[in-house]
Amino acid sequence: GAVVSQHPSRVICKSGTSVKIECRSLDFQATTMFWYRQFPKQSLMLMATSNEGSKATYEQGVEKDKFLINHASLTLSTLTVTSAHPEDSSFYICSARLQGAVNEQYFGPGTRLTVT
Amino acid sequence: AQSVTQLDSQVPVFEEAPVELRCNYSSSVSVYLFWYVQYPNQGLQLLLKYLSGSTLVKGINGFEAEFNKSQTSFHLRKPSVHISDTAEYFCAVSEMNTGFQKLVFGTGTRLLVSP
Repeated sequence: GAVVSQHPSRVICKSGTSVKIECRSLDFQATTMFWYRQFPKQSLMLMATSNEGSKATYEQGVEKDKFLINHASLTLSTLTVTSAHPEDSSFYICSARLQGAVNEQYFGPGTRLTVT
Repeated sequence: AQSVTQLDSQVPVFEEAPVELRCNYSSSVSVYLFWYVQYPNQGLQLLLKYLSGSTLVKGINGFEAEFNKSQTSFHLRKPSVHISDTAEYFCAVSEMNTGFQKLVFGTGTRLLVSP
């Protein structure tokens, strides 16, 4: 149980285009989902907290107009990287918090974005 | 604000040897502590967590960790490692004053197990 999927697993896009990444909780409802970014050989940095039905809360230094987050249902959150640039290339990981659980986050397998 | 320090970026060890991965945290309030494992190009898998109660926590795959409040540490141990334990290990903390909502991760320790 408590499986989180991400799609796509890998994506390559041209500079200036937008890319959407989906995060789904497959067998549970998640009122809260989190989006992280991981640079090579570095730790995960929280980008934003996504709550179902409300606006996402972004961490300091994260551009909300560049990284659009939508959490339209209890099982789906999306991250759209708008007007992507090579410096946006990274590994993006989402996690979902089990409804009612105390900070029990389940992580997706990640999406590797390469911007050329 | 909380922070997590994993002093060892890489720990090489021989198969069947014991291992300890160190984690220290800094926080002025109550915390929850976690260890996650990440295999190449994958997401994170929870190994174990400390919320309250017994300071010795047992997790999956034979790992355990001990919470030491006075030393603000949460070191991860395994008495005998396998080749398959080769991975990146992250210590993480969440604070009471964020409702234990946010996870702050350490920089990770790469465990390299060789035959």
